[in-house]
Amino acid sequence: GESVGLHLPTLSVQEGDNSIINCAYSNSASDYFIWYKQESGKGPQFIIDIRSNMDKRQGQRVTVLLNKTVKHLSLQIAATQPGDSAVYFCAEKSPSGNTPLVFGKGTRLSVIA
Amino acid sequence: DGGITQSPKYLFRKEGQNVTLSCEQNLNHDAMYWYRQDPGQGLRLIYYSQIVNDFQKGDIAEGYSVSREKKESFPLTVTSAQKNPTAFYLCASTVSGQGVTEAFFGQGTRLTVV
Repeated sequence: GESVGLHLPTLSVQEGDNSIINCAYSNSASDYFIWYKQESGKGPQFIIDIRSNMDKRQGQRVTVLLNKTVKHLSLQIAATQPGDSAVYFCAEKSPSGNTPLVFGKGTRLSVIA
Repeated sequence: DGGITQSPKYLFRKEGQNVTLSCEQNLNHDAMYWYRQDPGQGLRLIYYSQIVNDFQKGDIAEGYSVSREKKESFPLTVTSAQKNPTAFYLCASTVSGQGVTEAFFGQGTRLTVV
């Protein structure tokens, strides 16, 4: 079936550097994408979302890029901080009403102080 | 404050027992979901409900059961038929509109078989 996947399972970044977390999706019908952050032992928290009619969306220190041609999604974190250490998931959704979000396996981001 | 609450945070089950995990939301969301998360894995969908008194199986529904008698509540029962129930269970609720879906998660229940 269709699935969402991630290129890199782990990522180590020096504090202050920028982080880039990648995600590949295979369902060309998906029109909405979300990035979540999950800290150890907690539920995922919403970071940023993007609709398929957009290529880029910026939040506070985070930017999501969407390349529909190659079905690729990325999350960029500027000036990475120790508090950014967590597992990051991308999720996709098809346009049909309340269909469930489909999650990738996640990337663990470790920030080196 | 509006939110989604899971209880208990930790749960221990003996072999052959059924246990029920609670999920309550006061966000007035129509849809609710249960996901299972194993170490180093992503979230796998167990069951979901788009409206009261209706629910659908997800990818790994075997050994689980749910009910949706009230909009606010979506309890998950892990039955003795689930052979490997030790995992982290996450409940979520969503509301969709204008092409955007807001999905909120509870803090999870960690279930351990003893």
